[in-house]
Amino acid sequence: QVQLQESGPGLVKPSETLSLTCAVSGYSISSGYYWGWIRQPPGKGLEWIGNIYHSGTFYNPSLKSRVTISVDTSKNQFSLKLSSVTAADTAVYYCARLKSTGYYSDYWGQGTLVTVSS
Amino acid sequence: QSALTQPASVSGSPGQSITISCTGTSSDVGSYNLVSWYQQHPGKAPKLMIYEGTKRPSGVSNRFSGSKSGNTASLTISGLQAEDEANYYCSSYAGSSTYVVFGGGTKLTVL
Repeated sequence: QVQLQESGPGLVKPSETLSLTCAVSGYSISSGYYWGWIRQPPGKGLEWIGNIYHSGTFYNPSLKSRVTISVDTSKNQFSLKLSSVTAADTAVYYCARLKSTGYYSDYWGQGTLVTVSS
Repeated sequence: QSALTQPASVSGSPGQSITISCTGTSSDVGSYNLVSWYQQHPGKAPKLMIYEGTKRPSGVSNRFSGSKSGNTASLTISGLQAEDEANYYCSSYAGSSTYVVFGGGTKLTVL
């Protein structure tokens, strides 16, 4: 069974960089699929952030200038960095596996709340 | 403002059927059969219910079905049950510049 688990600081100061990691078990991330991040501000809807795959990355155009997604195949995990955060970046951040042929996420982590506040 | 438009709320009684719409444009829903639907209970991660417009993942009840007409996709839930009460989100592939867009979500209340 594929499982994903997010980890990282729950509190980040404004203007700093948000960093999260997603550990994957039950599937080797180097075997295929796209891996990425989706967020949900409190009480609001889902927003796609971006994905990484063997050949590169692709990001939400509205966040592209601040987002970096990378992968560590030796640890079977991938990471998110979001720079210059503001209160608007406060959200539950989910990592998920994206099917490349259908662009749907079939496995999700439980989510982790990141609050941007001084 | 979300790229795909969903009604904020829908409701139905147990046993009834309801349909949730998801309206996009010719750049996303209208151009690709790549609409997916997710169910999210409070405090939980989203769960995939429909993918590629009409397909159900293993384990999802056949009471859930998807369809599309033009720029609008729809999720129909038949034989409503109390456990179906949740928020539902649609998503679509939107081409190689925008990639993935979501709807704003629909809260389903089972009366």
